[in-house]
Amino acid sequence: EPEVTQTPSHQVTQMGQEVILRCVPISNHLYFYWYRQILGQKVEFLVSFYNNEISEKSEIFDDQFSVERPDGSNFTLKIRSTKLEDSAMYFCASSEWGLAREQFFGPGTRLTVL
Amino acid sequence: GQQLNQSPQSMFIQEGEDVSMNCTSSSIFNTWLWYKQEPGEGPVLLIALYKAGELTSNGRLTAQFGITRKDSFLNISASIPSDVGIYFCAGPPDNYGQNFVFGPGTRLSVLP
Repeated sequence: EPEVTQTPSHQVTQMGQEVILRCVPISNHLYFYWYRQILGQKVEFLVSFYNNEISEKSEIFDDQFSVERPDGSNFTLKIRSTKLEDSAMYFCASSEWGLAREQFFGPGTRLTVL
Repeated sequence: GQQLNQSPQSMFIQEGEDVSMNCTSSSIFNTWLWYKQEPGEGPVLLIALYKAGELTSNGRLTAQFGITRKDSFLNISASIPSDVGIYFCAGPPDNYGQNFVFGPGTRLSVLP
């Protein structure tokens, strides 16, 4: 069964450093998403991406964040200058038909900012 | 921002018991999705609901899309130890563009 994959599973970085989180969505899906989950809290929407552009973003997704589909399979989230409060699990998700349909999540990347 | 409420926040049940949890919103939803999350893993989709009043089953799980479109229910019958996890409702509110909201979750513990 096709699944969303994410790398790395755990990333440790120093405050102020740039990180890139990688995702490979399910191959026939056209809509891609990033979510964040701070430890013990609910999953929070960051951004949705379709047709090579951002279709929606939340208040959390400020100028420090960017997303890119650098090739036909990868979808990346970049945090330019990490802050302590960026420590969280970051989940990538994809869907075939758009936001109002089923989204399938990857296993997540745990980001720890020291 | 848009809020979803889930109740109960947590529950401890005996193996074999049935479980019922719900999700409510002050806004109308066009889609309700139920996810389960286990520690250290991503949310796994359990059931998707697209129509008010819809009742959908997936094995021992049954979910309903409330008639008012502001709530949804998830029932688990004959619980087993592997049902342990956090159950989230989620969806795009009707008036919230392309954003997507998760509830705070119901943490389920199953005692043998």
